[in-house]
Amino acid sequence: AQKITQTQPGMFVQEKEAVTLDCTYDTSDQSYGLFWYKQPSSGEMIFLIYQGSYDEQNATEGRYSLNFQKARKSANLVISASQLGDSAMYFCAICLPWGNSGGSNYKLTFGKGTLLTVNP
Amino acid sequence: DTEVTQTPKHLVMGMTNKKSLKCEQHMGHRAMYWYKQKAKKPPELMFVYSYEKLSINESVPSRFSPECPNSSLLNLHLHALQPEDSALYLCASSQDGGPRNTEAFFGQGTRLTVV
Repeated sequence: AQKITQTQPGMFVQEKEAVTLDCTYDTSDQSYGLFWYKQPSSGEMIFLIYQGSYDEQNATEGRYSLNFQKARKSANLVISASQLGDSAMYFCAICLPWGNSGGSNYKLTFGKGTLLTVNP
Repeated sequence: DTEVTQTPKHLVMGMTNKKSLKCEQHMGHRAMYWYKQKAKKPPELMFVYSYEKLSINESVPSRFSPECPNSSLLNLHLHALQPEDSALYLCASSQDGGPRNTEAFFGQGTRLTVV
């Protein structure tokens, strides 16, 4: 079963405008973590922002904010004031217990990603 | 600059070769990870080492053999690979393997081509 879904294969945004990248997830666990990563063409995965399932406030990191709607199981990333350097692939990921480890091991599962292009 | 260093950055190997990928971090992290990423796909977890012990093996073929000599180093030994194993191999580390500490720092990856 797909645990994390990104429905936008590609998005375009004008420089200096805001953009929202969608992410929904599926889990019956009460404790989990949600992450967003940026991957430029160079290949490195860059951590952007984290939201814990028990965190009541939406996470923010500079120009990045996470719109966490727990009841809807969504964790959308909002990038404000887009810059040309924001053009990259963006992955949403969920951290859940792995297999039958009794909750001692956790793994990140990534969505399929959204390719963001910022136009000048 | 990334604090997780992977070498080599690029590797071309034949199907009968033996090679190793190396990963190093000096952040005091106790969990280290290997991911495989095919073009235009998300990373897929291969192995997790927690406190230098293999804690997760995602049913990876035995031609991939991980090794964690110490808490700062992680190797991936490759032998008798197939062309379909060509991919970007990403190493990552985090404070430990717990649920709130899987903010993983990734290296720049090794682009592997099997010919």
